[in-house]
Amino acid sequence: QVQLQESGPGLLKPSETLALNCTVAGVSMSSYYWSWIRQSPGRGLEWIGYTSYTGATNYNPSLRSRVTISVDTSKRQFSLRLTSMTAADTALYYCVGGGYCINAVCWYYFDYWGQGKLVSVSS
Amino acid sequence: DIVMTQSPDSLSVSLGERATINCRSSLSVLFPSDNKNYLAWYQQRPGQPPKLILSWSSTRESGVPDRFSGSGSGKDFTLAISSLQPEDAAVYYCQQYYDTPVTFGQGTRLEIK
Repeated sequence: QVQLQESGPGLLKPSETLALNCTVAGVSMSSYYWSWIRQSPGRGLEWIGYTSYTGATNYNPSLRSRVTISVDTSKRQFSLRLTSMTAADTALYYCVGGGYCINAVCWYYFDYWGQGKLVSVSS
Repeated sequence: DIVMTQSPDSLSVSLGERATINCRSSLSVLFPSDNKNYLAWYQQRPGQPPKLILSWSSTRESGVPDRFSGSGSGKDFTLAISSLQPEDAAVYYCQQYYDTPVTFGQGTRLEIK
């Protein structure tokens, strides 16, 4: 059974940096791409970016200047770092598994989701 | 970015009846080289993360009842749920994976009367 679990702080002040970890169980990290997706009433579901198990990344251009996603396969974890947080970044942050590439054709739909980590930004 | 627009925003349908949810993309998500539509549907029940129910616009995931069906091609898609059950009350999202950034529709809330 595949399980993903987010961890990290739930409350930040404006301008601080968000750092979340996701621990993966029940599947090899080489099987999928590993994404962060956030959900808020104002923005709906927003894909932040992904990492492969090799560390290859792809970010949403809307957040690219502020985001870093990294992977540590020895710990079975991948991580999100989002700088310069504002109230607009308040959301439920999900770590997600899904995505495949075959013969250079890739597709990213999302099979496995964590329960989500609520992150609030307030002074 | 490809914009996904769902309609309606919400609907209320009687138990045992059929519900249909529409999704329109701003660009075609039909990939010419494999003739597949890069479109997925998710179900999100209250307090739960989204759950993948259909990929490739019409392929049901394992364990998803055959009451759920997807249709459409190119830019226009439909999710149909027949013989509605109480557990089908949820918000449904479409998602395109034709191009990055992948994008989601705004969601359609389904209420069971």
